[in-house]
Formats: sequence, structure tokens, C-alpha cells
Amino acid sequence: DAGITQSPRHKVTETGTPVTLRCHQTENHRYMYWYRQDPGHGLRLIHYSYGVKDTDKGEVSDGYSVSRSKTEDFLLTLESATSSQTSVYFCAISESSGESNTEAFFGQGTRLTVV
Amino acid sequence: AQTVTQSQPEMSVQEAETVTLSCTYDTSESDYYLFWYKQPPSRQMILVIRQEAYKQQNATENRFSVNFQKAAKSFSLKISDSQLGDAAMYFCAYRETQGGSEKLVFGKGMKLTVNP
Repeated sequence: DAGITQSPRHKVTETGTPVTLRCHQTENHRYMYWYRQDPGHGLRLIHYSYGVKDTDKGEVSDGYSVSRSKTEDFLLTLESATSSQTSVYFCAISESSGESNTEAFFGQGTRLTVV
Repeated sequence: AQTVTQSQPEMSVQEAETVTLSCTYDTSESDYYLFWYKQPPSRQMILVIRQEAYKQQNATENRFSVNFQKAAKSFSLKISDSQLGDAAMYFCAYRETQGGSEKLVFGKGMKLTVNP
């Protein structure tokens, strides 16, 4: 199994509080992604990173920020959590498409509930 | 922006039968990757099959094969000899390869039920 872990695995937080989710990899993969999964919407890309300090927005980036200060860690921050951000969050990692393995590997997911 | 569309939210198939899952995508790029991922109730995302756009030959992995129609921007997954363990959510995904950012986007998914 690819070395990718998400923390925490479950979290309940109150509306208006900041929340940070962590994705840690031991594979030295260049690309890291954050998705949210909601019924009827599949996996929607929030933000992704193509290198240290190199990040870009996905389709549902409002209300979220990310940081990648080192290769192995990609942090997702909900600046002021809202109930609409209750979801399951997945992190994924991948090598460059020029490498032999283009597969994305996923973390176990983080279930976040905003009350 | 690249988009991936899975128009069928749910399908069912009898055990041992064949089922085809559809996927279309929109892109202006000529080189990219396409994937099918499976998500069982455990929530783990599992790669089923991948296709490189510059390869005309359709990818196959045991009971799983794709019908890749580049001009039509269609990428369907065929599951032969369906098994109970194939029951899961299936996601089609597109990965760009140019420009250095290599965004990976998914469709909304399709729930496959396998009936014994």
C-alpha cells in the first residue's frame, strides 16, 4: 500500500471555527490533491499541489486554503467552517505523468462534521 | 475546464453477466490519461484500469476492459463475468498531462449493484 495517511480520521467541529486536515505521504510523490466526496456529487477537487509551495485551485475551492511547505505534507484548512463543508475529505498522491506509474493513491478519508 | 460526465447514477447486473459503464469527458488537450476507480463500502479508492490517450489500443485488465473513443471523448468500462465483489461505486477520472499542473478530476460516480 502507498504510504499516505490522513489525520484526523474523524472530526466534529462547530460552525465558524478553523479546521486543518493533514495529508502525509512517504512516497516522495510530486502531486497531492484534496477532494471532498458528497452523495450525488462524486469527488470534487478542492485544491491540488504540483510541488513544494506550488498549489492551484480546483472546482470547489471557496472557503478552503492549502499549504505545502515540504514534499510530504499537504494541509487543507477550512478558514471558518460552515455546515455545507460537512463531508468526507480525501487526499490523493501521484507521480508525474512522465513516470511509469500514473496511478493516484488515496488516503483513508476524513469524515468532517460541522455542527 | 476539463469535465467528466457519468450519466447513469446507478446500474444493476446479474452475477456472471456483462455490464458497461459509460463516461464522457470534455477536453481540448490531445494527450491525457483516463482512469476507472472503484470504491467499495470501505471507502477505499481502488484503481481498476487506466488508458493513455495516445494509445489507440483499448486497455484490458482481466475481466475489465475499456472502449476508448478519442474523437467522441468517450471512455466506457466493460465488466465481464460480474462477481458479487464488483458491487461498488465506480468513478471515471481524467488527468491532464501538459502544463505541469496535472489536474485530476472525477465524474460523479455510478453505483453498481450485482444481483446473485
